[in-house]
Amino acid sequence: DTEVTQTPKHLVMGMTNKKSLKCEQHMGHRAMYWYKQKAKKPPELMFVYSYEKLSINESVPSRFSPECPNSSLLNLHLHALQPEDSALYLCASSHPSLVPRDGTQYFGPGTRLLVL
Amino acid sequence: DAKTTQPPSMDCAEGRAANLPCNHSTISGNEYVYWYRQIHSQGPQYIIHGLKNNETNEMASLIITEDRKSSTLILPHATLRDTAVYYCIVRLPVDYKLSFGAGTTVTVRA
Repeated sequence: DTEVTQTPKHLVMGMTNKKSLKCEQHMGHRAMYWYKQKAKKPPELMFVYSYEKLSINESVPSRFSPECPNSSLLNLHLHALQPEDSALYLCASSHPSLVPRDGTQYFGPGTRLLVL
Repeated sequence: DAKTTQPPSMDCAEGRAANLPCNHSTISGNEYVYWYRQIHSQGPQYIIHGLKNNETNEMASLIITEDRKSSTLILPHATLRDTAVYYCIVRLPVDYKLSFGAGTTVTVRA
């Protein structure tokens, strides 16, 4: 089973709202990722968690706040977003890169976010 | 800062083999070649990866040249459901980051 689930599938929020995106995997992966994908562009890495600790933040604005409460769950808390933050937000998971030759990332279906 | 070059688009006929090229002339000795695809509005789907040898799985075959400067993804019998953007990515196993380039938009026509 290589399934990563994401909820919600779609989200519309105003610039003053607070919302959260949720990601879950049960593959025993200890690395989890958030990517952002604008329309007609490739995905771009935002955050990486390894063993439930934040290991990479690609200079993402603080209005995006990731959280990894346990090894299966990854959240992305959203606050005071801008319309230009509208995008597809993708979660992925993998074995940590310390496992030789097996860092394949598996992606969820994404949450399509619209900020009004 | 993608390290690969792919044609922006290609068409192929349903039922025929689709051969997708990728150039990675600056690949280092320990970098793997990964292929993902993304069907419209879905998350990227892992297809296959390899280091030196040719690889095959239930989805596709990956042919890597001896000098490792280029590779070809082969979809043996393309179907309409294979219409997608295909990404060729090179990375070290220790790198968390997947650097997606623009990819190749493949359209399978009946």
